[in-house]
Amino acid sequence: DIQMTQSPSSLSASVGDRVTITCRASQSISSYLNWYQQKPGKAPNLLIYAAYTLQSGVPSRFSGSGSGTDFALTISSLQPEDFAVYYCQQSYSTPYTFGQGTKLEIK
Amino acid sequence: EVQLVESGGGLVQPGGSLRLSCTASGFTFSNYDIHWVRQATGKGLEWVSSIDTDGDTYYRGSVRGRFTISRESAWNSLYLQMDSLRAGDTAVYYCARGSRVASGDYVYFDYWGQGSLVTVSS
Repeated sequence: DIQMTQSPSSLSASVGDRVTITCRASQSISSYLNWYQQKPGKAPNLLIYAAYTLQSGVPSRFSGSGSGTDFALTISSLQPEDFAVYYCQQSYSTPYTFGQGTKLEIK
Repeated sequence: EVQLVESGGGLVQPGGSLRLSCTASGFTFSNYDIHWVRQATGKGLEWVSSIDTDGDTYYRGSVRGRFTISRESAWNSLYLQMDSLRAGDTAVYYCARGSRVASGDYVYFDYWGQGSLVTVSS
């Protein structure tokens, strides 16, 4: 199975900050990488697919980058509604593994 | 509006069985892969199983041989039959639509249900 490792596991930031969450795959996954946001008690919400393609309706302050084994999700200017848990997921091969999550908290 | 609604969760004893359902609306069900993803309380997301448009099925190792995924396109429904349940299967189970980019290679989960809680305990 492909292991996905996110860093950091948690992050404190302020509204207006630029933040970056990284995700590393245990083997090359080309651009088969998705990012999701999850708020408490809710289902995950797709933000980015195929490493850098913004899902329809997702604000442009979210962006994805990377290929191979190293990827990043960047939020250019944090808004109050962005405080949540973020997960990366590889869709290169089953099982479609997720990272352990990054909890983004208000400083 | 695309919607996925799970049902069938509940409390079951270790070794018991449960069948989850996921009813879809707002899209052509037969054109999409559908996935089950679970999340134990306070933990991360874990992909469980999927069924593609050809009816081919895929499972994570820890559930293979115990869980069976199936779909009934006439009813826009997906099922997960869970047998020989263990405490470690306790989680909220989500069904999710699997979409692909035009090339057909990249898979992503663009719509999710609200989840159904399965508790395995004596």
